[in-house]
Amino acid sequence: DAKTTQPTSMDCAEGRAANLPCNHSTISGNEYVYWYRQIHSQGPQYIIHGLKNNETNEMASLIITEDRKSSTLILPHATLRDTAVYYCIVGTRAGSYQLTFGKGTKLSVIP
Amino acid sequence: GAGVSQSPSNKVTEKGKDVELRCDPISGHTALYWYRQRLGQGLEFLIYFQGNSAPDKSGLPSDRFSAERTGESVSTLTIQRTQQEDSAVYLCASSFRGARTEAFFGQGTRLTVV
Repeated sequence: DAKTTQPTSMDCAEGRAANLPCNHSTISGNEYVYWYRQIHSQGPQYIIHGLKNNETNEMASLIITEDRKSSTLILPHATLRDTAVYYCIVGTRAGSYQLTFGKGTKLSVIP
Repeated sequence: GAGVSQSPSNKVTEKGKDVELRCDPISGHTALYWYRQRLGQGLEFLIYFQGNSAPDKSGLPSDRFSAERTGESVSTLTIQRTQQEDSAVYLCASSFRGARTEAFFGQGTRLTVV
């Protein structure tokens, strides 16, 4: 069973920030939060991951609550190419984690 | 190549036939994963290899499914006596055990059982 809960779908206006929430209330202390996305007809693509501190890279920012029971992926300036299914996953990092994907959030960026 | 390579990209087979799907991971990646994605559905974990450890086969749906990996190189997923419900995209991913553990996915093999 997936350990995360995400909204089924979201819309975002082009150029605006897209904030995708994820609940992971049963996350363990050694589990990281990973985000992937899957653009239609392509394999999933890694976006970002974090443990408890907020993280930022060239693609997105990840905000993790202090209790680590939820997180938000932020795409600061959404483009049409960001339309995809976004998956939030929890897993350990020590070389033997299993990526268990849920159904994800279908993000539609609207012109 | 720089990425995960899967072959064939498309496969149409008759019900009851065996099929073999191939995955070439990124060189140096010790972990390799197989997933199945049915039309309009999320990713379903099948099997996970990590180095020389025993693979995690907990996601294989039946004994018709098996997978092998030679060392830290190519992996093959075999489906025996294919059924129509096996029709799906089969995705392979690999990752490096260490500081960078994000997984890189191939483009998948689209299997159609007729």
